[in-house]
Amino acid sequence: DIQMTQSPSSLSASVGDRVTITCRAGQSASNYLNWYQHKPGTAPKLLIYGASTLQSGVPSRFSGSGSGTEFTLTISSLQPEDSATYYCQQSYSTTWTFGQGTKVEIK
Amino acid sequence: EVQLLQSGAELKKPGESLKVSCQGSGYSFAKYWITWVRQLPGKGLEWMGRIDPSDSYTVYSPSFEGLITISIDTSITTAYLQWSSLKASDTAMYFCTRHGDIIPYPFDLWGQGTPVTVSS
Repeated sequence: DIQMTQSPSSLSASVGDRVTITCRAGQSASNYLNWYQHKPGTAPKLLIYGASTLQSGVPSRFSGSGSGTEFTLTISSLQPEDSATYYCQQSYSTTWTFGQGTKVEIK
Repeated sequence: EVQLLQSGAELKKPGESLKVSCQGSGYSFAKYWITWVRQLPGKGLEWMGRIDPSDSYTVYSPSFEGLITISIDTSITTAYLQWSSLKASDTAMYFCTRHGDIIPYPFDLWGQGTPVTVSS
């Protein structure tokens, strides 16, 4: 397994703030890295795939970057509806893994 | 409508068996692998394993190998997650999701989740 470590585990920010979440892989995951948003009581939602490609229908304030072992998810201007937990996920190795999640709260 | 529809909530006793289902509709079922994901109460998402509908080839997470069985019936476009002997620690929400054969295989469609409670 490739272990995925996200930081921070949680954050609180104001509407309009720029928010950055980091995901580090225990070994190279190339660009086989996807990001999901998960709100309680709902199914997770794909935001970014291939480290930087925005999924259709996802607001452009979300962006991703990185390759190899370090990746970031950025929300350029935080909105109230962005309150959720965000997960990175690698699909490079035979068995796949999620990061432990980053909970984003609105101040 | 393109969707994955999961079976309903389950309440079981330790030691009992269980089979949870995930039915795909509105798309070419055989072209998308199915993955199962666990979410323990108050915890994060865990990748359990995946199955290729074209040949039923499965890959399991080392954390779940030998504890679960993932299967598929393409004739009714349904995937399954099965336990032969449940434990209280299996209490969780279980999601199915799909991915195509385009790298990096993102999970673009999810089921609504099946809550499983194991309690004596």
